Amino acid sequence: QKEVEQNSGPLSVPEGAIASLNCTYSDRGSQSFFWYRQYSGKSPELIMFIYSNGDKEDGRFTAQLNKASQYVSLLIRDSQPSDSATYLCAVHASGGSYIPTFGRGTSLIVHP
Amino acid sequence: KAGVTQTPRYLIKTRGQQVTLSCSPISGHRSVSWYQQTPGQGLQFLFEYFSETQRNKGNFPGRFSGRQFSNSRSEMNVSTLELGDSALYLCASGPSGGLTEAFFGQGTRLTVV
Repeated sequence: QKEVEQNSGPLSVPEGAIASLNCTYSDRGSQSFFWYRQYSGKSPELIMFIYSNGDKEDGRFTAQLNKASQYVSLLIRDSQPSDSATYLCAVHASGGSYIPTFGRGTSLIVHP
Repeated sequence: KAGVTQTPRYLIKTRGQQVTLSCSPISGHRSVSWYQQTPGQGLQFLFEYFSETQRNKGNFPGRFSGRQFSNSRSEMNVSTLELGDSALYLCASGPSGGLTEAFFGQGTRLTVV
């Protein structure tokens, strides 16, 4: 059973701080990693994806991937109250299939 | 550019009935994937269709089925509904498959009573 683990939270950070969200996965051959934001009652929105070890930055967001440790994280700089949502980590299975496995998500609360 | 459209948005069904949900993908997208989201299990992959063929299937019972038409629109059917089928059903469309360049629809909220 391929698993993706996330701390359910809630993670509470003050406005302007850096929020750090973490995700571990069990399928060592996984090659594609995705971060989604989901507001309550809404559908998931893609924040960013990462394929290679290291960091990938997009605006206030940075995804970090460490395949040796089977660990992917998302950093949100200058957190805003509008960033308050559930963040889902997702992984494509190894072997070239497109079967994704999602983590249960981490609830982030950014307080003014 | 129109997004992914799911209909209906809300449904209430009785246990034992069947239900059909519809998903119209973004124009030009050939892949449509279906997901079930519940508070207990999170977001789980049901199946994916690409060019009218089921390409991948998740770990769900045979009561869950789907199909894709030549215009890439997809339907998902659940037969003999159970209370545990109450969930948000999401579809996502993309040009090639999986989550790559995929966009989610707003979902269909199914309640089984």
